[in-house]
Amino acid sequence: GAGVSQSPSNKVTEKGKDVELRCDPISGHTALYWYRQSLGQGLEFLIYFQGNSAPDKSGLPSDRFSAERTGGSVSTLTIQRTQQEDSAVYLCASSLESVQKLFFGSGTQLSVL
Amino acid sequence: DAKTTQPPSMDCAEGRAANLPCNHSTISGNEYVYWYRQIHSQGPQYIIHGLKNNETNEMASLIITEDRKSSTLILPHATLRDTAVYYCIVVSNSGYALNFGKGTSLLVTP
Repeated sequence: GAGVSQSPSNKVTEKGKDVELRCDPISGHTALYWYRQSLGQGLEFLIYFQGNSAPDKSGLPSDRFSAERTGGSVSTLTIQRTQQEDSAVYLCASSLESVQKLFFGSGTQLSVL
Repeated sequence: DAKTTQPPSMDCAEGRAANLPCNHSTISGNEYVYWYRQIHSQGPQYIIHGLKNNETNEMASLIITEDRKSSTLILPHATLRDTAVYYCIVVSNSGYALNFGKGTSLLVTP
């Protein structure tokens, strides 16, 4: 596609439920990033994938958070047993290798009730 | 990566130049300065980046001081559509961006 696509754009869930957020990066981009943005805050790094290398998971806030990237393309961020403090916009970005010009998707607004 | 400091908010009149400062006094020799902006309810958008020379593109100009400890993003003729949060980050070319701070919220007024 022309840009980074994220789905769903909005997700409302109940506390304790699991959610999956999807990211389709720009074709050919080998690097993929997930960020979280709470209301009125900056972007908080979650995880980084680069090609076939082991991902950098250092930003994941707890073991309830996990992400995978299948076939070096689509990525899924999974949050298990969601909590109210998980409510935020989850942003995905991709880039060409280690070049830092990131292309962001429009994000998924997650609301945990 | 080096930390950056930006004013939380700025105002600018439409048609005037908007000059957004960023302090990065601990920047290393191999670290670039990148600017992004985020319009409400959208993902951040790349604007410009530089190492030590001033840079200009169709969106903005980037002025980096000789000691590289600070920079200024210049929007030469601000429009209402330039109202956004502007983020300055510092990243090495072999690294990747960790956290973006709160940036500068620019309000362009008629």
